[in-house]
Amino acid sequence: AQTVTQSQPEMSVQEAETVTLSCTYDTSESNYYLFWYKQPPSRQMILVIRQEAYKQQNATENRFSVNFQKAAKSFSLKISDSQLGDTAMYFCAFRDDYKLSFGAGTTVTVRA
Amino acid sequence: DTGVSQNPRHKITKRGQNVTFRCDPISEHNRLYWYRQTLGQGPEFLTYFQNEAQLEKSRLLSDRFSAERPKGSFSTLEIQRTEQGDSAMYLCASSVRGQGSSYEQYFGPGTRLTVT
Repeated sequence: AQTVTQSQPEMSVQEAETVTLSCTYDTSESNYYLFWYKQPPSRQMILVIRQEAYKQQNATENRFSVNFQKAAKSFSLKISDSQLGDTAMYFCAFRDDYKLSFGAGTTVTVRA
Repeated sequence: DTGVSQNPRHKITKRGQNVTFRCDPISEHNRLYWYRQTLGQGPEFLTYFQNEAQLEKSRLLSDRFSAERPKGSFSTLEIQRTEQGDSAMYLCASSVRGQGSSYEQYFGPGTRLTVT
């Protein structure tokens, strides 16, 4: 079974600043996908960004970017220019064939 | 395209009762997934369909749980003889082959089950 570890239960960041969320995973697969999902309070899960393991280039989506280190099995998410609407729980997820394996999540609070 | 929808959004039931949840995936999405999420945790995989075929079931899915996807469209998840430990958010997601076989999964709002 794949395991995904998010070691930061909570993070707090000032509006307009940058925050980085860490994620590590364990797999013997060589081809897989990694995702970050955002779950705002009482709202549904939204896909933030994805990374394909065979691509060395780090994915970027607007203010969200990842640092993918395949050898280290690390997949961190950087949120730049944080906005109040970024307040949410963030989940790192791993997919090999079909199912997603999620980490325990990191609660991000953006302070005004 | 209205996204993945789930009904009901909330369900309160007494222990021992049966409950059924429904998920309507995004049109044309051939894969459908069920996950369970307990408070403060990440979702855990329960089962997955490709079209109408149920291809995988987690060990979390005891004999009291059954899922169907007739005609490869909507899906139902039934829990028989509910227990307090079944209290959780039940999430449905759907996907279709995307760029590079990514099969990005899009989630519905979930059904929150409370067993009293």
